[in-house]
Formats: sequence, C-alpha cells, structure tokens
Amino acid sequence: DGGITQSPKYLFRKEGQNVTLSCEQNLNHDAMYWYRQDPGQGLRLIYYSQIVNDFQKGDIAEGYSVSREKKESFPLTVTSAQKNPTAFYLCASSPPWAGGPPTATEAFFGQGTRLTVV
Amino acid sequence: LAKITQPISMDSYEGQEVNITCSHNNIATNDYITWYQQFPSQGPRFIIQGYKTKVTNEVASLFIPADRKSSTLSLPRVSLSDTAVYYCLVAYTGGGNKLTFGTGTQLKVEL
Repeated sequence: DGGITQSPKYLFRKEGQNVTLSCEQNLNHDAMYWYRQDPGQGLRLIYYSQIVNDFQKGDIAEGYSVSREKKESFPLTVTSAQKNPTAFYLCASSPPWAGGPPTATEAFFGQGTRLTVV
Repeated sequence: LAKITQPISMDSYEGQEVNITCSHNNIATNDYITWYQQFPSQGPRFIIQGYKTKVTNEVASLFIPADRKSSTLSLPRVSLSDTAVYYCLVAYTGGGNKLTFGTGTQLKVEL
C-alpha cells in the first residue's frame, strides 16, 4: 500500500542527546513536511522540502535539522539545542505540481512519532 | 504571514448539524482550502477541499463565499465518533507550498 511511514511510534531519549526521526513515503511525492504538535495545541511547521536536496525553514526551525538526499525520505534530527523537544512529531507529503492553473492536491500524513526527552 | 483562525471548541449532540468556520483573510489567488480531522495521537485525515462556492462529498460540505476570506465546514448529523479536532489548511499544495494550518477546533459530540 502507498503511504507515509514514521518510525518509531514512541521514542525516548536523554536530555542533551540528538535524536533522528524517520519519515519515508512511497507516494512519489516531491514535497515533504515536518510538524510539531504539543498537547492541546495545533500543528506548527518545522521544515519543508519541495524537492530533493532542497529544504526551507518553517515557523519553528530552531533546534532542528533535516536532510533530503532521496525523494522518498525526509529525516528530522532533534538536536540538543532544542529546549523543549518533548512533543508529537508529524510528517507529511504532497504531490508535485503539474503546472498551469491551480489544482487541488491533498497532503498525506504519517501516524506520528511521540518523542519524550527525560 | 498568513493568519488562519478557528474557534477553539464547539459542543454538539448526536444527530445535529455542525458548522465550523475558518478565517483566512490573507488567502492568495492560487490557494486551496482544505479541512482535516485529527484524533488523539494520530495523523490528520483529509475531509474535504475546495476553491470557491460549495463542495460536497460523502462526509461533509464546504462553503466558501465569493471573497474567499473565510470558509465553513459543515458536518451533517454528527455522531459520537466525530469528536475530534478539525483543522483548516490554506495552501497551494500543488506547488509544494508551505502548508499552514489553522488553530484547530475541538468538536465534542454528546448523546
């Protein structure tokens, strides 16, 4: 089945350690995104990538890093510089633009990784 | 920076129609409006998408006025299982654009 896979579902790390969250998609989508969600809060954009080897900062990029070496993969590293890393992290992807007038496309989401830093 | 706002919460009873509004004053010409549903500890799930006027599918309707500065998600005859957070998203997703979510509306459906 096509979709987005985030792993692991739950992740525990000690304070001060870097940790990398995995996001893989087999939908052949060009664009991929990382969001952070805190309890009772909305989704805030961390980083997004429109194409391989290119990515842009979202609204809360500080303390995070990403890479986009392959179309199907967009890993997120939570560094020790992130002051409050405990959160629910969601990855998403959306189809490529075919050009011309605006077309309706849908973003697909993974099931999330809950990171707890102790 | 686009500011997308929604009511924080809404309460309803089973069988009623629920209308959730989203304000997106800075919507761009090429932006589409998409609504998602999210249950706790899960990824958001697509509900409906539209550009203008009215769109209807098997689960919801989306009303968009001519100026497109707001939109309304309509859920007919809600049930307990519709209790969730509903998000409005405004973006030209076809271009891999920055996807900005609204603040989210917690819908609680009771018997």
